[in-house]
Amino acid sequence: QQQVKQSPQSLIVQKGGIPIINCAYENTAFDYFPWYQQFPGKGPALLIAIRPDVSEKKEGRFTISFNKSAKQFSLHIMDSQPGDSATYFCAAMRGTSYGKLTFGQGTILTVHP
Amino acid sequence: EPEVTQTPSHQVTQMGQEVILRCVPISNHLYFYWYRQILGQKVEFLVSFYNNEISEKSEIFDDQFSVERPDGSNFTLKIRSTKLEDSAMYFCASSRAGTAEAFFGQGTRLTVV
Repeated sequence: QQQVKQSPQSLIVQKGGIPIINCAYENTAFDYFPWYQQFPGKGPALLIAIRPDVSEKKEGRFTISFNKSAKQFSLHIMDSQPGDSATYFCAAMRGTSYGKLTFGQGTILTVHP
Repeated sequence: EPEVTQTPSHQVTQMGQEVILRCVPISNHLYFYWYRQILGQKVEFLVSFYNNEISEKSEIFDDQFSVERPDGSNFTLKIRSTKLEDSAMYFCASSRAGTAEAFFGQGTRLTVV
């Protein structure tokens, strides 16, 4: 019940495409859902995060869509660029578990020029 | 921009030896965390630390592991008797508050031989 399931494992798009990465969770106590971007040899870096009181959040080219009833959330990257090629992790956290992020398996995104 | 720094970047140790991984969190942050990532797998929570004590720990964080904040700036993870399966990338993270975004360091790659 603590798991966060992420798909797909890998994704290849052309420059300008809109990759979509999906995550699903079971634990309804989760109330914070961040997405992290990780480049090889680096630590995860926070991209964007959402709380369940909104259905969508947009920051620059990155958008999170959140479906509370389906317990799913997704990351959309608009106008993707080769520099977006990285591993993306969704995560979830309960408000009472300070800092205990449960991560998805990760999606390796490749954006071809 | 403030960042979490970790040393060393790579540590090779013999099985059964003790290792100490070091981290300097962002200076005004109050919550500190260790995560690990086995090669090719997801990032896993190990422990959270606040007010000089462990707030939460995962089942991975057994008696072989300990954390300490020996002074006002460093945060350490000690593995008392390393096993081959402890080989992983270890990430330190910190946040201003328990529910605020966590910032990750670049990681220490631990290789147990």
